[in-house]
Amino acid sequence: QKEVEQDPGPLSVPEGAIVSLNCTYSNSAFQYFMWYRQYSRKGPELLMYTYSSGNKEDGRFTAQVDKSSKYISLFIRDSQPSDSATYLCAMSAEQAGTALIFGKGTTLSVSS
Amino acid sequence: GAGVSQSPSNKVTEKGKDVELRCDPISGHTALYWYRQSLGQGLEFLIYFQGNSAPDKSGLPSDRFSAERTGGSVSTLTIQRTQQEDSAVYLCASSPRGQAFFGQGTRLTVV
Repeated sequence: QKEVEQDPGPLSVPEGAIVSLNCTYSNSAFQYFMWYRQYSRKGPELLMYTYSSGNKEDGRFTAQVDKSSKYISLFIRDSQPSDSATYLCAMSAEQAGTALIFGKGTTLSVSS
Repeated sequence: GAGVSQSPSNKVTEKGKDVELRCDPISGHTALYWYRQSLGQGLEFLIYFQGNSAPDKSGLPSDRFSAERTGGSVSTLTIQRTQQEDSAVYLCASSPRGQAFFGQGTRLTVV
């Protein structure tokens, strides 16, 4: 079993839809969880950063962490064509001192 | 600049040649990471530097790969005797703690 599992998609939705992206993980030591957005031929851009379990909201984006289920989610409300990108989850066991482990990314396409 | 800077942005090299990739992290960030991303794949961890601690080299795929970080700032990733399977985008990230900020990467093509 890989440390971090993420469905690669592709996921296609119409503009305005609510998008749900998910990752599961196996290492119970993970405490720091991130979501990155990556446009084609660009570096990953940090979207959300959360610690331990709970929800975090930033504009149209909401990140959820359920440590008991080893499951994290990113919700995008009112999706826009500009949200079309690959979304990568990442996690680490410590705030500093270990590498970030990434999922393989989910490719999202939002059509207008 | 305010972000992580990588150079060159693109590099084409002949099989068997050595290459050096450079990363200038965000000022003040103590942690620096190198990742590799092959076409359509996720990010593969290569090496991690944290302050003055010994680097975590557990992700380096072979002894042809090495990296150093001078003065706790600039880092250089060196690939010796490049092979075609080394073709990928090499991404550098820096972090104050926890969350990492990436550069735009160096696209390496070995012909």
